[in-house]
Amino acid sequence: GAVVSQHPSWVICKSGTSVKIECRSLDFQATTMFWYRQFPKQSLMLMATSNEGSKATYEQGVEKDKFLINHASLTLSTLTVTSAHPEDSSFYICSARGLGQGSQPQHFGDGTRLSIL
Amino acid sequence: AQSVTQLGSHVSVSEGALVLLRCNYSSSVPPYLFWYVQYPNQGLQLLLKYTSAATLVKGINGFEAEFKKSETSFHLTKPSAHMSDAAEYFCAVIPGGTSYGKLTFGQGTILTVHP
Repeated sequence: GAVVSQHPSWVICKSGTSVKIECRSLDFQATTMFWYRQFPKQSLMLMATSNEGSKATYEQGVEKDKFLINHASLTLSTLTVTSAHPEDSSFYICSARGLGQGSQPQHFGDGTRLSIL
Repeated sequence: AQSVTQLGSHVSVSEGALVLLRCNYSSSVPPYLFWYVQYPNQGLQLLLKYTSAATLVKGINGFEAEFKKSETSFHLTKPSAHMSDAAEYFCAVIPGGTSYGKLTFGQGTILTVHP
């Protein structure tokens, strides 16, 4: 079945640094990728939608200069959390959708636990 | 706007007992509905989906759900709980007629299975 790989799975860094998270579709071409944020004991909140080769569409309230998304190829999207602060600590999950995926809307990565000290 | 409500943030059952996780949606047209499972520190795995075909949908791991338009519900059931079913479950919706819209998730229900 379709597989989405997310890396790293866990990252701890100091406040003020930038962190890049990668999301790769391993066996299909992902025309659209989604980035979600999940706080402890809460649901997934969509941050942005990115289509290959075009700018990401951000949800209301999400700072696009804070969360930089690049979807330069059909198999890779990256989320960069710039100048991260403790309030950015969260679980970030990507998902991908490609052509020929039928009615399954998205395939999810295993998430990245981001902890900012 | 599409929304989905899961009744009960925590459900606890005994091993072998019936599992019932509730989900209600609000939509002016029949949406596509999904149930996902999430294990700790992992992403989401699709359990089953309703896309306007059969109203009773069977999924993986013995789960099934029934779409009831009159009740705007899509409850998830499993006849006999197993310890490995302990996880968090999310109901999700996409506006009707397409699988290419945005997924909107419910608040999630944590299922605990005790011996």
